[in-house]
Amino acid sequence: EPEVTQTPSHQVTQMGQEVILRCVPISNHLYFYWYRQILGQKVEFLVSFYNNEISEKSEIFDDQFSVERPDGSNFTLKIRSTKLEDSAMYFCASSFGLNEQFFGPGTRLTVL
Amino acid sequence: DAKTTQPPSMDCAEGRAANLPCNHSTISGNEYVYWYRQIHSQGPQYIIHGLKNNETNEMASLIITEDRKSSTLILPHATLRDTAVYYCIVRVEETSGSRLTFGEGTQLTVNP
Repeated sequence: EPEVTQTPSHQVTQMGQEVILRCVPISNHLYFYWYRQILGQKVEFLVSFYNNEISEKSEIFDDQFSVERPDGSNFTLKIRSTKLEDSAMYFCASSFGLNEQFFGPGTRLTVL
Repeated sequence: DAKTTQPPSMDCAEGRAANLPCNHSTISGNEYVYWYRQIHSQGPQYIIHGLKNNETNEMASLIITEDRKSSTLILPHATLRDTAVYYCIVRVEETSGSRLTFGEGTQLTVNP
């Protein structure tokens, strides 16, 4: 069964460094998403992406964040200058249409 | 999106049916009811969704009341692997990629 994959599973970085989180969505899906979950808190929406552009973003997704689909298979989330409060699980998701979204296993980001 | 209310926790015996309630009294006519679950910090997993008719798939059944103000997710024969946080989410399927707004959910514990 096709699934969303994410790399790395765990990323440790120093405050102020740039990080890129990578996702491979399910191959025929058209909509792509990033969510995050700070330890012990709710899953929060960050951004959705369709037709090579951002279709919706939350107030969390500020100028420090960017997304890209550099080729036909990868979908990336970049954080330009990480802060301590960016430490969280980051989940990528994809969907074929506007209905069910399929989530990856997540990347645990730890900012020191 | 309409607000949902779920009990914070429930217990169920292994092999018995688990019935998880959700109230969404302010739901609009074009809003769907979605259920996801999250097993211990893994990525959320889609379970089922519906608009007004009852739905069943290989994982669960969704019962939506006639006035659509509440719904129940039924896991017919719960197993230990069904222990998870279950989220009831109400959302509109819009033309652009629409976010999932996760609440606190219900922590279901299946006991042997």
